[in-house]
Amino acid sequence: RKEVEQDPGPFNVPEGATVAFNCTYSNSASQSFFWYRQDCRKEPKLLMSVYSSGNEDGRFTAQLNRASQYISLLIRDSKLSDSATYLCVVNLYTDKLIFGTGTRLQVFP
Amino acid sequence: EAGVAQSPRYKIIEKRQSVAFWCNPISGHATLYWYQQILGQGPKLLIQFQNNGVVDDSQLPKDRFSAERLKGVDSTLKIQPAKLEDSAVYLCASRRPAGTGYTGANEKLFFGSGTQLSVL
Repeated sequence: RKEVEQDPGPFNVPEGATVAFNCTYSNSASQSFFWYRQDCRKEPKLLMSVYSSGNEDGRFTAQLNRASQYISLLIRDSKLSDSATYLCVVNLYTDKLIFGTGTRLQVFP
Repeated sequence: EAGVAQSPRYKIIEKRQSVAFWCNPISGHATLYWYQQILGQGPKLLIQFQNNGVVDDSQLPKDRFSAERLKGVDSTLKIQPAKLEDSAVYLCASRRPAGTGYTGANEKLFFGSGTQLSVL
């Protein structure tokens, strides 16, 4: 079993739609969690950290379920500029940061 | 602040040749990572340094890949000999370690622009 698993997509959604991505992780001792965004041919950039109580940043909401070992990202009111690959990242022990395969999102007009 | 510097930006070699990549992390960042990203996949951790010591290299193909960070600052990653399946983008990232007085576990990664390697 992979340490971090994501549905690769692609998710094709119209502008204004709400879309959700899930990510599961295998190591229950994982310390912290993140969502990164990667545009085509660019390096990944931090979108947001994921906190136990859930957190929101504008149109983006992240949730963590430690009991079920999954993380989610919800994007509301999708924009064309949201088209990218969304990478789930898990911080294992000793700051070992493991990336999922990424979920590709395409927002169309 | 200056970002993570990587070079070269692109490299094309033939299989069985050797190649080296260089990374200079953000000043003061003790933790340095090398990732391999094959097209269509997420970054795969190859090696993690804390200062000049190796924390994790469990995914590094040690028969052909080597990495060092001798003075705890910049780092080099070498492939010798290269195989066709090594074609990928090699990303270097740096980060403050946990327990430094910052919000350690939630510190973000800073990536360089990567080196795109094509093995023919």
